[in-house]
Amino acid sequence: GQQVMQIPQYQHVQEGEDFTTYCNSSTTLSNIQWYKQRPGGHPVFLIQLVKSGEVKKQKRLTFQFGEAKKNSSLHITATQTTDVGTYFCAGSSNNDMRFGAGTRLTVKP
Amino acid sequence: GAGVSQSPRYKVAKRGQDVALRCDPISGHVSLFWYQQALGQGPEFLTYFQNEAQLDKSGLPSDRFFAERPEGSVSTLKIQRTQQEDSAVYLCASSILAGGREQFFGPGTRLTVL
Repeated sequence: GQQVMQIPQYQHVQEGEDFTTYCNSSTTLSNIQWYKQRPGGHPVFLIQLVKSGEVKKQKRLTFQFGEAKKNSSLHITATQTTDVGTYFCAGSSNNDMRFGAGTRLTVKP
Repeated sequence: GAGVSQSPRYKVAKRGQDVALRCDPISGHVSLFWYQQALGQGPEFLTYFQNEAQLDKSGLPSDRFFAERPEGSVSTLKIQRTQQEDSAVYLCASSILAGGREQFFGPGTRLTVL
């Protein structure tokens, strides 16, 4: 079945440094979504990518979808303490959704 | 309501007990998903409803798990004869579209089986 792998599992950065998390699927995806989960909270939708090679930006966040629609990345420029949390990718094919294990980001002020 | 709600927020059960977890999705949302999230892990897909139809239940770990959405709105996830490995946070999410795109998650129910 479809599997979604996400790396790294943890990332600790100094405030102001950049951060990237990568997501890879074993199968071609129809779309990929990114979610953020704060400690003790629930996943909150960030963005959806649908097109091959798509790039979307939200302020300091840049999201990319691979040409083969099997991988994706989230890059945060100049991290802030408010970026702390776990970032999940979720790949969709047909009706189901498969989440990666997430990358837990901690930011040292 | 303004968002997805789940009840109870916390549930402690003795091994062997049955539990029922409720999800109230956002009004009008067609799609409803149930996920199981273990500590430090990503949400694991359990089942998907489009209106009242359960279109995918491939993620339910055993026949002890049962979900329903009889009127296409509120959904209940039932776990029979709970076991310790069932301890997790159970998340419900809804989406306005069929097939589920942007999903809105509820706060989850934390189930602890002793």
